This record gives sequence, C-alpha cells and structure tokens, in this order.
Amino acid sequence: EAQVTQNPRYLITVTGKKLTVTCSQNMNHEYMSWYRQDPGLGLRQIYYSMNVEVTDKGDVPEGYKVSRKEKRNFPLILESPSPNQTSLYFCASRTTWDTEAFFGQGTRLTVV
Amino acid sequence: GIQVEQSPPDLILQEGANSTLRCNFSDSVNNLQWFHQNPWGQLINLFYIPSGTKQNGRLSATTVATERYSLLYISSSQTTDSGVYFCVPSSNTGKLIFGQGTTLQVKP
Repeated sequence: EAQVTQNPRYLITVTGKKLTVTCSQNMNHEYMSWYRQDPGLGLRQIYYSMNVEVTDKGDVPEGYKVSRKEKRNFPLILESPSPNQTSLYFCASRTTWDTEAFFGQGTRLTVV
Repeated sequence: GIQVEQSPPDLILQEGANSTLRCNFSDSVNNLQWFHQNPWGQLINLFYIPSGTKQNGRLSATTVATERYSLLYISSSQTTDSGVYFCVPSSNTGKLIFGQGTTLQVKP
C-alpha cells in the first residue's frame, strides 16, 4: 500500500532533549517536506527536499534540522526542543514539486 | 505569494443536506488539491484538481483556473464528513499553501 509513515504519532518530551521524528514513503517520490500546524496559524512549511541530498528552508525553519540521505526517508530533528515547538507535525511527499501531495498521519508533539 | 480564501469559514449541516464550499486564490496556479482534516487530525486527499471537474462518490470538485477559484460539492452529507476542508494550491517551490479552511459540522 502506498503510504507516508511518520513516527512517533504522539510524543511528550522535556525542553532541551534532542528528538527525531521520522518520515518514510514507499512511492519513490523525489519531493518531501515538513509542516507544522498551530491554531490560528494554519499549516506552515518547515523544510523541504527536492531530491536526495537537496534540502532547503521553508517558512519556519528555526530550531529544526533535516537530512535526506536516501530517497525514502526525511527525518525532522529537533536538537534542543522548546515549548514553542509544541505542535502537530506533518510530513508530505510527492513525485515532484508540482504533483499530488500525500501526507503522513501526523505527529503530535508536546514540549514541557 | 499566493493567498487562499475559503468560504464559508464555518458550516453546520443536518445529515443528508448538500453543500458547496468555495475557494478563491489570488494568482494563477499549476496545481490544486482539496483535503479533509478529520477530527483526529489526519489530512485526507480528496481531489487533485488543477482544472476541470472530478467526482468521487458523494463528492465532486470543479476548478476554473482562469478565474482562480475552485468548488467542492458535498451531497447527502454524513456525520463522518465533519472536519476541516482545505483548498491547497502550491507555490513554485512546491510549498503547499493552506488557508484557514472551512470547518464543517454535520449533525445527525
């Protein structure tokens, strides 16, 4: 089954403790991206990747890192999480930048 | 950048009713999708519809790219249709541009 898989689905962590949210797709898509969704602010792009080893900042990249070492995986790294990174995170993938996008199930992160 | 305006912002329907959601966008777009965010937060693909009309069961969508709008029709609504509906074009870097959506509540 074609899908985008995020893990974990739910996470509560403490300020400053490094964490990684994984994203994997099995559709051989070149383009992957991360979004965060906050009440009143909608969904905003954090980082995107046009292909392996090619990543770029979205609208809200501060406090996040990404890597794209292989086509199927695009992890989101929070090296020192802070409470303002409490949010609902989504990974999305698409064949190329202008084709249909598919989302993962979402990761609900709480930083205390 | 591209702006998205959806109407109505909120909609309450009785089960079985029909509705039309509208999306206006400020600039020409190469692609457009409709998503449903269910009460559990999942984003579900409804339509990829840069132009023209598509139907899938009780749902159909029409995009008139030259006039910069798209419509989503929901017929015979069910309680499981509740949630937020997003009309989402892309920028030329592939960024998905979300507006505030239409929040739909279907009452039994």
